[in-house]
Amino acid sequence: NAGVTQTPKFQVLKTGQSMTLQCAQDMNHNSMYWYRQDPGMGLRLIYYSASEGTTDKGEVPNGYNVSRLNKREFSLRLESAAPSQTSVYFCASSETWLAGDTQYFGPGTRLTVL
Amino acid sequence: AQSVAQPEDQVNVAEGNPLTVKCTYSVSGNPYLFWYVQYPNRGLQFLLKYITGDNLVKGSYGFEAEFNKSQTSFHLKKPSALVSDSALYFCAVRAFTNAGKSTFGDGTTLTVKP
Repeated sequence: NAGVTQTPKFQVLKTGQSMTLQCAQDMNHNSMYWYRQDPGMGLRLIYYSASEGTTDKGEVPNGYNVSRLNKREFSLRLESAAPSQTSVYFCASSETWLAGDTQYFGPGTRLTVL
Repeated sequence: AQSVAQPEDQVNVAEGNPLTVKCTYSVSGNPYLFWYVQYPNRGLQFLLKYITGDNLVKGSYGFEAEFNKSQTSFHLKKPSALVSDSALYFCAVRAFTNAGKSTFGDGTTLTVKP
């Protein structure tokens, strides 16, 4: 049982390049999330998927798109990377969208945009 | 709007002494409160949560947290700190109406010295 996995672990992009961050969970969870973590700040929600087939914007969605490919997988795409998107990205999942459900996090992707 | 404050960027304690990491919150309605721990270059790990019921919540690795509604606080505690407890700790809050949307504090770095 791997939990939440993310690929790649590290990535360096040049300004304007695009890339997709992959996330998969094997816990049969319905809800999935993408967060970014910047130094000295807590995690901020980028996008979430409350259930398979739905996605919605979080606190900081500009410059990102997402795809809920199936129940297991939730990808985050940067169409034209900017230095401001240099950050650590975490994927998380929870059994349901209910407020009391625990979120389980992946190991993160460290992205640098030059 | 919901918010979380972790008033201390850094907490230093000696091994064997009790530790407290502070968290205060603001939310409409009943809060759902969470503590997570992050070790260097790792994802967030769930420690404990308050949903309803007993104000003292026990979690993983000997940690506990006390919910205080009148002070809108949810402080993390441990009776006897270990060097291995040294890490970054995050408090998070959700509201029933916001369901899975978590707001995280900026984090508190706990250092336990031998």
